[in-house]
Amino acid sequence: DTGVSQDPRHKITKRGQNVTFRCDPISEHNRLYWYRQTLGQGPEFLTYFQNEAQLEKSRLLSDRFSAERPKGSFSTLEIQRTEQGDSAMYLCASSPPGQGWFGAFFGQGTRLTVV
Amino acid sequence: KQEVTQIPAALSVPEGENLVLNCSFTDSAIYNLQWFRQDPGKGLTSLLLIQSSQREQTSGRLNASLDKSSGRSTLYIAASQPGDSATYLCAVEGYSGGGADGLTFGKGTHLIIQP
Repeated sequence: DTGVSQDPRHKITKRGQNVTFRCDPISEHNRLYWYRQTLGQGPEFLTYFQNEAQLEKSRLLSDRFSAERPKGSFSTLEIQRTEQGDSAMYLCASSPPGQGWFGAFFGQGTRLTVV
Repeated sequence: KQEVTQIPAALSVPEGENLVLNCSFTDSAIYNLQWFRQDPGKGLTSLLLIQSSQREQTSGRLNASLDKSSGRSTLYIAASQPGDSATYLCAVEGYSGGGADGLTFGKGTHLIIQP
C-alpha cells in the first residue's frame, strides 16, 4: 500500500493517560499535516511539518499535545493527560514538494475515545 | 482568517438525479481547492483538485468548478447513485508568507441518495 498509513486505527484510553499516534506519509512527500475532526465538523488543522521542521502549530494544539517528525519521514502525535474533550478522529495528510499546488492525501485516521 | 462554508448541510435525493453542492471561501489567496468524500468513520478520499489558475476539473460523473474571484466552488454530481451517499467536504489550501498554510475545511454536505 503506497498511501498514507496511520496507526492505530482506533484507541480507547482512560482519562489522564498518555497516547501516541503514528503516521507514515507517502514516500517522497516532504510535507506532513495533522488534523483533528469531531463529529459533524470538518477537519481542523493542528500542525504542519516540512521535512523534519515543524513550521506551523494551531492554537488548538495545547501544551498537552506534541508532534515530531524526527527524520523527515514518519511522524508521531502524542497527547499527554488525555481529557474527554480530546475524543476525536485524528487525521494525517501528506503532500509532495511544490508548495500547495498538488493537494493533500489523507490517511484513514485514528479514532480516539477517552473514557 | 480563511473561512469555508458549505451549503446545503444535508441533502437527500432519489437515485438518478443530478445535484450540485456549493462551497464558498472568504480569502481568495489560495493554491488550490479540493473536494473530498468521507464515509462514516473513515478518512478522506480526494475526489477532485482544482489549482487556483484552473476553472474546473472533471472525473467521471463529477465536475467541480472554481471561481476564485468570487470565492465559490461547486461540485456537480451527475446521475446520482446510492453508492454516492457520503459526506462531501470542500477544502482550500491558502498561503501566507513563504509557504502553504494547510487546508481549511468546510463542515461538509451530508448526502443521501435514496434507492
